[in-house]
Amino acid sequence: EVQLVESGGGLVKPGTSLILSCAASGFTFSNAWMNWVRQAPGRGLEWVGRVKSQTAGGTPDYAASVEGRFTISRDDSKNTLYLQIDSLQIEDTAVYFCATDRCVGTTCFDYWGQGALVTVSS
Amino acid sequence: DIQMTQSPSSLFASVGDRVTITCRASQSVRSSFNWYQQRPGGAPKLLIYEATRLQSGVPSRFSGSGSGTDFTLTISSLQREDFATYYCQQSGFLPLTFGGGTKVEI
Repeated sequence: EVQLVESGGGLVKPGTSLILSCAASGFTFSNAWMNWVRQAPGRGLEWVGRVKSQTAGGTPDYAASVEGRFTISRDDSKNTLYLQIDSLQIEDTAVYFCATDRCVGTTCFDYWGQGALVTVSS
Repeated sequence: DIQMTQSPSSLFASVGDRVTITCRASQSVRSSFNWYQQRPGGAPKLLIYEATRLQSGVPSRFSGSGSGTDFTLTISSLQREDFATYYCQQSGFLPLTFGGGTKVEI
């Protein structure tokens, strides 16, 4: 059974940094492209970015709105995806979901974690 | 960025109704297009990928159609567990973008 479990969320102050983790199990993590998607309270879904599998280069892609402050990485030996957020802003308050993209020949998010809530407030 | 416009933003329906949700892309995405369902307090769930392909385990009352810029999600006979918010997504171009959502209410 595929499982994605996010952790590391909480209440943080503006200007600080945070690292979210997504622990994966039930599939071959190293083969999967992994994504982060966020959802501000009462709002829709916003793609944050992704990291490709190592065989595809292992490089990240980001939404323009977060590039420069967000860093996505993966540790295939630990089956874990990371999202580091620097210089946190009030507008970063959201539930952050990790999602797999294991769709063959196309891009789609076939499994999602339950989400980690990040609240940025002074 | 490709803008995804869903309509309606919300709708009221009854169990057994046929429900149609549309999504329009600001430029052609061919068939690089997906639909997701999100129940309150839950994570999104993939329903349809590549515009028309039903994800494994998703009931056959859900179907998708369209290509290019105009897409449709149809629920043939609404069930109680289908009351949720539905999002479209284009997956052909970075940044990947979602529609604003359609809330299906009783």
